[in-house]
Amino acid sequence: AQKITQTQPGMFVQEKEAVTLDCTYDTSDQSYGLFWYKQPSSGEMIFLIYQGSYDEQNATEGRYSLNFQKARKSANLVISASQLGDSAMYFCAMRESLSYNQGGKLIFGQGTELSVKP
Amino acid sequence: SQTIHQWPATLVQPVGSPLSLECTVEGTSNPNLYWYRQAAGRGLQLLFYSVGIGQISSEVPQNLSASRPQDRQFILSSKKLLLSDSGFYLCAWSVGGFTDTQYFGPGTRLTVL
Repeated sequence: AQKITQTQPGMFVQEKEAVTLDCTYDTSDQSYGLFWYKQPSSGEMIFLIYQGSYDEQNATEGRYSLNFQKARKSANLVISASQLGDSAMYFCAMRESLSYNQGGKLIFGQGTELSVKP
Repeated sequence: SQTIHQWPATLVQPVGSPLSLECTVEGTSNPNLYWYRQAAGRGLQLLFYSVGIGQISSEVPQNLSASRPQDRQFILSSKKLLLSDSGFYLCAWSVGGFTDTQYFGPGTRLTVL
């Protein structure tokens, strides 16, 4: 069964340092996508970064990068140069069976609460 | 650019009362639309999704229903709310394609008393 596991309920990081948020997944599909979302206290889910299972290079978006290790089934989010505004909940999510315009659902992990200290 | 609206932002309803939450998307045509629920301190759970007008797929059997009366409008309803319906309801849209990234609205916080 498809599953996302985030083992870190809470993390602390010093401002300007890098932090890694862990995510492991379980799927029997060969074609899938992995997403990271940020949820600040306001509640809105903000899309950060996407990694496809067939992408050979790790995805990067500004200060966000995804450390994708397919054999280990892990998709860790790395935030470089942390800022106070990065304090939020972070969710890893997966969509299986990618096909064009399938309208497939996302499976979410339980999230990691990141606190950035000044 | 595309924007997604949800209302109301917060709602307090008694047990047994009806519910209607509305979601609209601007700036795109024929989006895929989704309703998720988030219990306190938990991840999101997909409730319904729609790939077109009148096409609704249900993921979790419950006392909620969804409708899509117009291309960019998605409505979540209930005839009689339960205490367990309390939570944060998020609407999302996507435009298909191989990546099909979902973008979320601001959410509705529902408390059933």
